[in-house]
Amino acid sequence: QSVLTQPPSVSGAPGQRVTISCTGSSSNIGAGYDVHWYQQLPGTAPKLLIYGNSNRPSGVPDRFSGSKSGTSASLAITGLQAEDEADYYCQSYDSSLSGSVFGGGTRLTVL
Amino acid sequence: QVQLQESGPGLVEPSETLSLTCAVSGYSISSGYYWGWTRQPPGKGLEWIGSIHQSGSTYYNPSLKSRVTISVDTSKNQFSLKLSSVTAADTAVYYCARSVGGEPKRFDPWGQGTLVTVSS
Repeated sequence: QSVLTQPPSVSGAPGQRVTISCTGSSSNIGAGYDVHWYQQLPGTAPKLLIYGNSNRPSGVPDRFSGSKSGTSASLAITGLQAEDEADYYCQSYDSSLSGSVFGGGTRLTVL
Repeated sequence: QVQLQESGPGLVEPSETLSLTCAVSGYSISSGYYWGWTRQPPGKGLEWIGSIHQSGSTYYNPSLKSRVTISVDTSKNQFSLKLSSVTAADTAVYYCARSVGGEPKRFDPWGQGTLVTVSS
């Protein structure tokens, strides 16, 4: 059971918009800690996709965006492309555990 | 460009100690930042193991703290992970990464990962 809850899977057709939620609690996201998002393509290491809730590292397309509100955060992907098919993980800090925590991951399928 | 590369035995016997090293290139560890380990059991999600500062300051996942030791060797520009008393549940791909910023520190970049299997 992950501290941060993500839907196991989401799907969308090419060109569509999908969102992935990341729900936490008052000891992590709700306490004001930032959320980062990672993309893990099949058979590869995770890659930083969004940091500090809504910032994109250099090279990440602006089709990817992040937001945070209350005890939850969301990753939105617009103009879905086949190459976006991957697992996506959220990460935050939990004050009760005094360390980083990840969501369980969401598999995005492009139909 | 910072690059990280994990190395170590791919097979460890139950009850033994898992030992991995992460070699860093393109950046001097002694210049700063935290450096961390994360693992991913086959078909499962990510689990943060712990992190170390170039000064040697460490912090660990409470669920693993009693078995984990992370150390840094600035002369070799690498840091290491030791996980004692391993069981089959410790079978996973182990990743090293640079930890950047304030809490939560973001992990960027990551090494390619190394699969460690615990089995006799």
